[in-house]
Amino acid sequence: DGGITQSPKYLFRKEGQNVTLSCEQNLNHDAMYWYRQDPGQGLRLIYYSQIVNDFQKGDIAEGYSVSREKKESFPLTVTSAQKNPTAFYLCASRGTGELFFGEGSRLTVL
Amino acid sequence: AQSVTQLDSQVPVFEEAPVELRCNYSSSVSVYLFWYVQYPNQGLQLLLKYLSGSTLVKGINGFEAEFNKSQTSFHLRKPSVHISDTAEYFCAVSAYNTNAGKSTFGDGTTLTVKP
Repeated sequence: DGGITQSPKYLFRKEGQNVTLSCEQNLNHDAMYWYRQDPGQGLRLIYYSQIVNDFQKGDIAEGYSVSREKKESFPLTVTSAQKNPTAFYLCASRGTGELFFGEGSRLTVL
Repeated sequence: AQSVTQLDSQVPVFEEAPVELRCNYSSSVSVYLFWYVQYPNQGLQLLLKYLSGSTLVKGINGFEAEFNKSQTSFHLRKPSVHISDTAEYFCAVSAYNTNAGKSTFGDGTTLTVKP
């Protein structure tokens, strides 16, 4: 089935470690996005990419990095510079206006 | 710039009762409008969308929404809710043909359906 696949679903990290969250899509969409969700809050945009080998910072990019080497893949790295990384991370791609989301990755810093 | 305000953070309702979840938005350009639903520990799923045309939009699971341009609102309604409708609901806007298709989300409304 077509869709967005995120992995891992749950991830634990020690302080000072970098971690990478995977996002793969088989919808042939050009645009992809990473959002962060915290309890009681809406989604905040971290990074987005409109085309391969190009990406832009969103509203809360500090402490995160991304790459877009293939149309299908848009991995997110949470670096040690991110002060409060514990959150639910959602990857999405854009169809005709609407977003298609993955199941999310929950990151917990120990 | 765009912003979305969901007027109710929590909406409790009894099973088979009608429900309305309210959403207001502001934008300096024309926008697309969306409602998404999120079940615990899952991603968001599209309920319905307004791109153009008829202002009354029907979506999945019996939900519908009405776009009111003069009041800049896009309220979500269902005439009779089920226990399974208990979830978080997000209203979102996306600028028409500009802003890289980025969506702005409201803070969400928790709908709790009680038996």
